[in-house]
This record gives sequence, C-alpha cells and structure tokens, in this order.
Amino acid sequence: AQSVAQPEDQVNVAEGNPLTVKCTYSVSGNPYLFWYVQYPNRGLQFLLKYITGDNLVKGSYGFEAEFNKSQTSFHLKKPSALVSDSALYFCAVRDIPGFQKLVFGTGTRLLVSP
Amino acid sequence: GAGVSQSPSNKVTEKGKDVELRCDPISGHTALYWYRQSLGQGLEFLIYFQGNSAPDKSGLPSDRFSAERTGGSVSTLTIQRTQQEDSAVYLCASSLRFGDYEQYFGPGTRLTVT
Repeated sequence: AQSVAQPEDQVNVAEGNPLTVKCTYSVSGNPYLFWYVQYPNRGLQFLLKYITGDNLVKGSYGFEAEFNKSQTSFHLKKPSALVSDSALYFCAVRDIPGFQKLVFGTGTRLLVSP
Repeated sequence: GAGVSQSPSNKVTEKGKDVELRCDPISGHTALYWYRQSLGQGLEFLIYFQGNSAPDKSGLPSDRFSAERTGGSVSTLTIQRTQQEDSAVYLCASSLRFGDYEQYFGPGTRLTVT
C-alpha cells in the first residue's frame, strides 16, 4: 500500500528564516504527491501537487516542494517564513488501486515565532 | 457558496444514539470524499462517491457507518449506535471530476460521543 511519513511532529522556525517540512513516501509505481495545510478551526487547503514533470513544484502562499526520487522524499519548503504560516501541514499520496483516495501522513505542526 | 460546506459544525451525542452528518460539495464537483480526523492521528479515508455511486467503501470502520449521495450533490454520513471511539472530526471533500486529484475540503464536523 502507498504511504507517506512525516518524521517531525513539530517544526519551529523564526519569522524570516527558511522553513522545511519533511515528507518521505513509499509507493509502487509513479508517485502522485500532495501537500495540504490546516489552519486552526478551518478545513484543509490544497497547497501543491506533484504528478510529473519538474522536480520543483510551486504552490500557494509562496510554498514549494522538491520531489527527490532517489531519496523518496517530497519536502515542503518556503524561503522566508511568516507567523501566519503557523498551521498543521499534511503530506499525502494517491492510493492504489483506489486511486481516488488520498493517504495522508500524520501531520507536522509548524510554529513560526515573531 | 464557493466552498464545501458541512453541517453541523459541532455535534455532541450520547453513546448509542444515531447521528447524521451532511456535506454540500462545490457545485459541479462530481467526486465527493469523507475522511475522519481523530485526535493525534492523521486523516483516515472513509468513503468516496463518483456521482451517486460509491465504488470504494473499504474505509468505513464498521457496519454502523453508512453514507449516501443523492442527485450527485449532497451527501450524508450516518453513524448508528455511536460509540465513544467515533469521536473525531469528520471532513468532507470534493473534486471536479474523476482523475482530478485536487480535493477541496470543508471545515469539518466535530463529533463528540459522551
């Protein structure tokens, strides 16, 4: 079965510094990978996806993610963190054979301090 | 509205009672999904609909859980004889069409079984 792992429960970063939220995947076949963000008391919001093409994917709110096949990773990055980026971030992968279903990681809480 | 809506936003029920959770997807979205988010865990897939049919019911935790979708729009998730372990946030998402993997999530229904 497809799966993703988010090794960090929480990431702390100072405002203005670059941030990285880690995700590794395990899939059979080509990976379809996603990042979602969940702000307090709000639903999940789509950030970006990797289907094929360039390994660096750009998404919403200045986020980007780098697909690395050799390391089976899909880390989320942002060059300069904002306090408003503080939220819960989920990595997800398309499941097979039920390929309409997303399999989510356990989430990483990002805390950006002023 | 522009987004996925869910009702109620919060539901407190006694153990053994039945509950119904409602999801209104984005207009025109043919695929609809239900997930469950439990405290300390990631998102757990429950069921998805393509139109009014549910080709994948593998995620429903028990036969106390059922879901339907009528008119290709509104969906209802029903939990019969609720148990305390059913307490969670139930999230609904929709996507434009089959094979479109960008899922848009609603704000969720927080269910508490006492």
